[in-house]
Amino acid sequence: DGGITQSPKYLFRKEGQNVTLSCEQNLNHDAMYWYRQDPGQGLRLIYYSQIVNDFQKGDIAEGYSVSREKKESFPLTVTSAQKNPTAFYLCASSRTGRVTDQPQHFGDGTRLSIL
Amino acid sequence: DQQVKQNSPSLSVQEGRISILNCDYTNSMFDYFLWYKKYPAEGPTFLISISSIKDKNEDGRFTVFLNKSAKHLSLHIVPSQPGDSAVYFCAASRISVGDMRFGAGTRLTVKP
Repeated sequence: DGGITQSPKYLFRKEGQNVTLSCEQNLNHDAMYWYRQDPGQGLRLIYYSQIVNDFQKGDIAEGYSVSREKKESFPLTVTSAQKNPTAFYLCASSRTGRVTDQPQHFGDGTRLSIL
Repeated sequence: DQQVKQNSPSLSVQEGRISILNCDYTNSMFDYFLWYKKYPAEGPTFLISISSIKDKNEDGRFTVFLNKSAKHLSLHIVPSQPGDSAVYFCAASRISVGDMRFGAGTRLTVKP
């Protein structure tokens, strides 16, 4: 079954620690995205990548880092510089980066909490 | 700044009746609009979209209407079913998915 897998579903982090959220897709999509969702707010774009070894900052990239070494994988690291990391994180992918080509597919998300 | 707004956090309708979810946007450069549906503990799934060259797009029970002059779009669900109970997100974009902006969502509850 093709899809996007985010792991883990729940993640706890101590203050001052970096943590990496995993996102894997087997849809053969070129483009991948990371969003953050907070209560009462829409999804906000953190980073996106339209091709391997290339990525762009979204609206709220500060305190986050990504890599895109393989087409299937787009891990997100929440660094200690992110002041308010508690949120629900969603990974998505699309065939291309053009919105008219095909809608995004989303993973089921990772909820990150600070201990 | 919120470029896409869904001013109703929640909506409750009776099964079989029409559900109307509304969305407003501020950026006149947006030319593609989408609706996503999200169940608890799952990621959003694509529901329906519309290009700015159209004012209506229909897919089964779901119809999206676009009023460009008012910068307003709406999603109509007829007839509403209990399985439609979910959070609905409106999104607006230019050509790149990286330009997409989402509303805060409207929680729809369809009562049997």
